[in-house]
Amino acid sequence: GAGVSQSPSNKVTEKGKDVELRCDPISGHTALYWYRQSLGQGLEFLIYFQGNSAPDKSGLPSDRFSAERTGGSVSTLTIQRTQQEDSAVYLCASSLVRTDTQYFGPGTRLTVL
Amino acid sequence: AQRVTQPEKLLSVFKGAPVELKCNYSYSGSPELFWYVQYSRQRLQLLLRHISRESIKGFTADLNKGETSFHLKKPFAQEEDSAMYYCALMARQAGTALIFGKGTTLSVSS
Repeated sequence: GAGVSQSPSNKVTEKGKDVELRCDPISGHTALYWYRQSLGQGLEFLIYFQGNSAPDKSGLPSDRFSAERTGGSVSTLTIQRTQQEDSAVYLCASSLVRTDTQYFGPGTRLTVL
Repeated sequence: AQRVTQPEKLLSVFKGAPVELKCNYSYSGSPELFWYVQYSRQRLQLLLRHISRESIKGFTADLNKGETSFHLKKPFAQEEDSAMYYCALMARQAGTALIFGKGTTLSVSS
């Protein structure tokens, strides 16, 4: 079946603008995760959703970052007033349940000029 | 605090040589450990998890709770093993998502 998809694949924006990144998880997966991958920092956990429970936002670096998951499926990560240090690859993953294998999307490469 | 440490940013070996990618973790409870791999221009994917006790593509990893390590090993490296490898920890009791190390790039040359 189809894997995790993300859009756009690349996003270039100007400092101060807002951006929205989208993730379509594998159908039926109840858990959805956002990570940030930057050079030298590895994979940094941002936020995770499990079913209808309140999301774990403990990894969000600032209040400029937010995410929502509508209808238990598609998720949007929003970064407001982007800064140059937000430039990274943003990865989405989903799993059947939290303890199951995570399947990753191809990522969105964000460049803030 | 939960932490995963991969001390090597880059590991370069020759084809046919043994490989060991180091991973140490910090967690007081009962951890579950994973190795994920990202080949060039491909998405991140699971290589193996310690509870499965499998050997994938010739790689094995043993959880050593005494040394808090989960090193990834392969007796004879192949050029197609060249990739970025991430060690990850799931703290089941904490209910958290995966915690990843910073990754090690493995380069296998002929």
